[in-house]
Amino acid sequence: EAAVTQSPRNKVTVTGGNVTLSCRQTNSHNYMYWYRQDTGHGLRLIHYSYGAGNLQIGDVPDGYKATRTTQEDFFLLLELASPSQTSLYFCASSPGQGSNERLFFGHGTKLSVL
Amino acid sequence: GDSVTQTEGLVTLTEGLPVMLNCTYQSTYSPFLFWYVQHLNEAPKLLLKSFTDNKRPEHQGFHATLHKSSSSFHLQKSSAQLSDSALYYCALSDRDSNNRIFFGDGTQLVVKP
Repeated sequence: EAAVTQSPRNKVTVTGGNVTLSCRQTNSHNYMYWYRQDTGHGLRLIHYSYGAGNLQIGDVPDGYKATRTTQEDFFLLLELASPSQTSLYFCASSPGQGSNERLFFGHGTKLSVL
Repeated sequence: GDSVTQTEGLVTLTEGLPVMLNCTYQSTYSPFLFWYVQHLNEAPKLLLKSFTDNKRPEHQGFHATLHKSSSSFHLQKSSAQLSDSALYYCALSDRDSNNRIFFGDGTQLVVKP
């Protein structure tokens, strides 16, 4: 089973704070994704990447930056956190060899912005 | 554009009864459809996905049939178990989606004794 590790598991910050969420996959997957999960909205794509140095915009990118430093590591940055960004964040990876490839999810980071 | 619709936010049923969770989609090209399941305090994981040869995928007693004529990929199981209680996502990708997967809003399934 493919391994995707997120850190931290829980994070509390204040409005205006600076937060970095980390994700590492050790499966040599090309694609990595950041989603947020909110009740009633399901999984919404923030940013994704198909390789080191690449960044693609998702459906809800406002207020978020992301950086793919290596094939393994994908970071999500909230430079001025707001309460509306309180959510459960999931990172996922995929081989990306074709459109029928599945996603492998990390266990999530619960972020609270006070 | 691509999209997935799950009309039921919550489905509650009694153990032993059949399960059917609805999923319809819009896609420009022939899509691949997925069902992901997320148990409480766990990550989403793949339950099943459509095949290119139109075979019906099955896993853990669940199955789904891709009906292109009605743009549907409903999830079914003949007899619900308590352990089936979870959040279920229908998802879609196609060759024009640039390896994006589009998720529906999810259906919470609650199975009661």
